[in-house]
Amino acid sequence: KNEVEQSPQNLTAQEGEFITINCSYSVGISALHWLQQHPGGGIVSLFMLSSGKKKHGRLIATINIQEKHSSLHITASHPRDSAVYICAAFFVNDMRFGAGTRLTVKP
Amino acid sequence: EAGVAQSPRYKIIEKRQSVAFWCNPISGHATLYWYQQILGQGPKLLIQFQNNGVVDDSQLPKDRFSAERLKGVDSTLKIQPAKLEDSAVYLCASSAGGGETQYFGPGTRLLVL
Repeated sequence: KNEVEQSPQNLTAQEGEFITINCSYSVGISALHWLQQHPGGGIVSLFMLSSGKKKHGRLIATINIQEKHSSLHITASHPRDSAVYICAAFFVNDMRFGAGTRLTVKP
Repeated sequence: EAGVAQSPRYKIIEKRQSVAFWCNPISGHATLYWYQQILGQGPKLLIQFQNNGVVDDSQLPKDRFSAERLKGVDSTLKIQPAKLEDSAVYLCASSAGGGETQYFGPGTRLLVL
């Protein structure tokens, strides 16, 4: 069964803190996508991973294929990072979204 | 008894592109529903058909969404052009009649980038 679990559901941090959002999936995938959704609804693609680690600015995404787990890290968080972060796992002939993590970064 | 079938299982498109979803209800079911479920929210009814006639389309964004059930069996839902906020799961359900138990398909997951 293709399942994706994301945690935490809600996260509040102070500006400058290191943030970690987790995504676990039930069976093997071909790729995992991290997405960002700001208030107003627009979805931005952050990373697509099939192995290892990717970095873009203050964002880092990692994936461990053996453990069926991916993490999204934000270093030196800023209020503009406040958004909903969503992982999407690509299974064979299927794609599943995680439930999303609502991040609020306070100044 | 076969359940409600939907295709595709998922679709990724860029904003302003068009997309179409297909639903095949349970055989003999007169009523067909299309729902939109945005992450973290409950399903929202977009349109309800009774045979090939529309019963309720009050929440269908008619400037970009259209749906038809020409022969009273299969149905298609189209979005043209898609916007970012259309990213959601689109669920089709059918029932023997309005107010009867609804049976849901597996959904089509749409991601608009």
